[in-house]
Amino acid sequence: DIQLTQSPSSMSASLGDRVSLTCQSSQGIGNYLSWYQHKPGKPPKPMIYYATNLADGVPSRFSGSRSGSDYSLTISSLESEDTAIYYCLQYDEYPWTFGGGTKLELK
Amino acid sequence: QVTLKESGPGILQPSQTLSLTCTFSGFSLSTYGMGVGWIRQPSGKGLEWLANIWWDDDKYYNPSLKNRLTISKDTSNNQAFLKITNVDTADTATYYCARIRGPHDYWGQGVMVTVSS
Repeated sequence: DIQLTQSPSSMSASLGDRVSLTCQSSQGIGNYLSWYQHKPGKPPKPMIYYATNLADGVPSRFSGSRSGSDYSLTISSLESEDTAIYYCLQYDEYPWTFGGGTKLELK
Repeated sequence: QVTLKESGPGILQPSQTLSLTCTFSGFSLSTYGMGVGWIRQPSGKGLEWLANIWWDDDKYYNPSLKNRLTISKDTSNNQAFLKITNVDTADTATYYCARIRGPHDYWGQGVMVTVSS
């Protein structure tokens, strides 16, 4: 199975900070990686698909990038509503697998 | 407008079979390239992919659940189903269904399932 390792597992940042979350794949998955934002009591919200494409309705301060087997979700200027757990998912190969998540909090 | 809603028993006992239903609108599972998937989240833990079913009835399962899963669909009634046999307390979780076009793009609100004796 393909393992996705997310780092850090948790972090805190201040309003307006530039924040980058990382997801490293154990095998090549091309660009078949998506990011989800998950808040308590709500379903996961799609943020990025195909590594770099912004999902519908997602603010432009979010972006996705790839460098080899490392994938990043970047928030250019952190807002309070961005506090959540962020998960990556690979959908290149079955079984699909999620990363362990990064919990993002306000400092 | 795409919507999905999960329904389930709420609580069941160990060794029973969990039956979940996903009722959706705004798309058809007979459309080329369309799929529905099931994902769960045990309380305090991360997301776990369970199974996908596609427009052509292709099915894929998480092998970590060791043949306990069965996914199916009723295209005419816009429903997808997931059965998990021989449940135990480790199956206590919130279960989500989601539409798949590429990855999951629309999600239901989730249904909480508790396995307890």
